[in-house]
Amino acid sequence: GEDVEQSLFLSVREGDSSVINCTYTDSSSTYLYWYKQEPGAGLQLLTYIFSNMDMKQDQRLTVLLNKKDKHLSLRIADTQTGDSAIYFCAEIPNAGGTSYGKLTFGQGTILTVHP
Amino acid sequence: DGGITQSPKYLFRKEGQNVTLSCEQNLNHDAMYWYRQDPGQGLRLIYYSQIVNDFQKGDIAEGYSVSREKKESFPLTVTSAQKNPTAFYLCASSMQGMANEKLFFGSGTQLSVL
Repeated sequence: GEDVEQSLFLSVREGDSSVINCTYTDSSSTYLYWYKQEPGAGLQLLTYIFSNMDMKQDQRLTVLLNKKDKHLSLRIADTQTGDSAIYFCAEIPNAGGTSYGKLTFGQGTILTVHP
Repeated sequence: DGGITQSPKYLFRKEGQNVTLSCEQNLNHDAMYWYRQDPGQGLRLIYYSQIVNDFQKGDIAEGYSVSREKKESFPLTVTSAQKNPTAFYLCASSMQGMANEKLFFGSGTQLSVL
């Protein structure tokens, strides 16, 4: 079955880098996503990576994928107080089959950035 | 501006009552989804629809019902059979429901039981 795991909390100082980790179980996953949720709001897609890639960089965001260990990470460089939010890792299980746009989400990591 | 609008922002349900959450999108997307979010848990899929007049159950459909009579609208009814309805409900849409598409989310409805 599909399962996505994340640590629940991360606290960093402003200006430091944040690394949010995620593990997944479905080896057939083809797309892996990072979403950001601010309090009382919907989810905003930050970035995604295709499973045949090892790394993707987008401005302050770097996604690393270790397919062997089924481990995904999101690094936020120069973390700001505005980055404080919940970050969700998500995967598309069995993409290309019947799952279409149905994502499996992790529990979310609450990132707190201290001044 | 294009986007997804959910209403109301807050909703209260009395025991034994059915309530309906609204979701409207003007993105011309074919696929729409309802997710439930509980504290400390990821989002769980309730129902999804890839085309008008068609929808499928997600992982936790019991106690919920949906309709998709118009492309832009996908209302969710929380029935009295749902014994633990207190949660944050998120509606989403994507262009065609294919695997590589981005999901666009509404701002959510917080449902609480009186």
